[in-house]
Amino acid sequence: GAGVSQSPSNKVTEKGKDVELRCDPISGHTALYWYRQSLGQGLEFLIYFQGNSAPDKSGLPSDRFSAERTGGSVSTLTIQRTQQEDSAVYLCASSFSGIPEEQYFGPGTRLTVT
Amino acid sequence: AQSVAQPEDQVNVAEGNPLTVKCTYSVSGNPYLFWYVQYPNRGLQFLLKYITGDNLVKGSYGFEAEFNKSQTSFHLKKPSALVSDSALYFCAVRAPPNDYKLSFGAGTTVTVRA
Repeated sequence: GAGVSQSPSNKVTEKGKDVELRCDPISGHTALYWYRQSLGQGLEFLIYFQGNSAPDKSGLPSDRFSAERTGGSVSTLTIQRTQQEDSAVYLCASSFSGIPEEQYFGPGTRLTVT
Repeated sequence: AQSVAQPEDQVNVAEGNPLTVKCTYSVSGNPYLFWYVQYPNRGLQFLLKYITGDNLVKGSYGFEAEFNKSQTSFHLKKPSALVSDSALYFCAVRAPPNDYKLSFGAGTTVTVRA
């Protein structure tokens, strides 16, 4: 079946511009996660959505970052007033509900802020 | 807080030789441990997980991992490496209280030479 999809695959933007990154999880997965993969920083957790519960935003690095999940499916990660340090690969993952379930990752969006 | 350490940035082995990628973890409760692999320009792919039960876990592509509670380790192994196993490998842990968050190691680049 279809895996997690993300768009765009690459995004180049100028410093100070806003960007939106999209994630389509696997159908039937109720949990959705965003991570950031930076050179030299490894993978860091950003935000978690589970069903209709309030999201866990504890990993968002600043108030310039926000995310929504509409209808329990598609999610959008928005970065306002982008900075060069925001350059990274943004990964989305989804899983069935249940803590031990493995997360399935999308191919990522490579964001470059010039 | 939970954390994962992958002490080797790089592992180089000859094709046909055994491959081991090391991982140690630190959590305050019982860990759920995962291995993921990332091929160039691809998203993370799930390899295997340890939740409970047998300490030796078998996963995709002939990989296995051994959970050692006393040494807080979860090393990834493959008896006979293939050139196609060359990739970036990540160990990850989930543990109470924030069970849904994956904490990743920094990653180990595996190069298998023909």
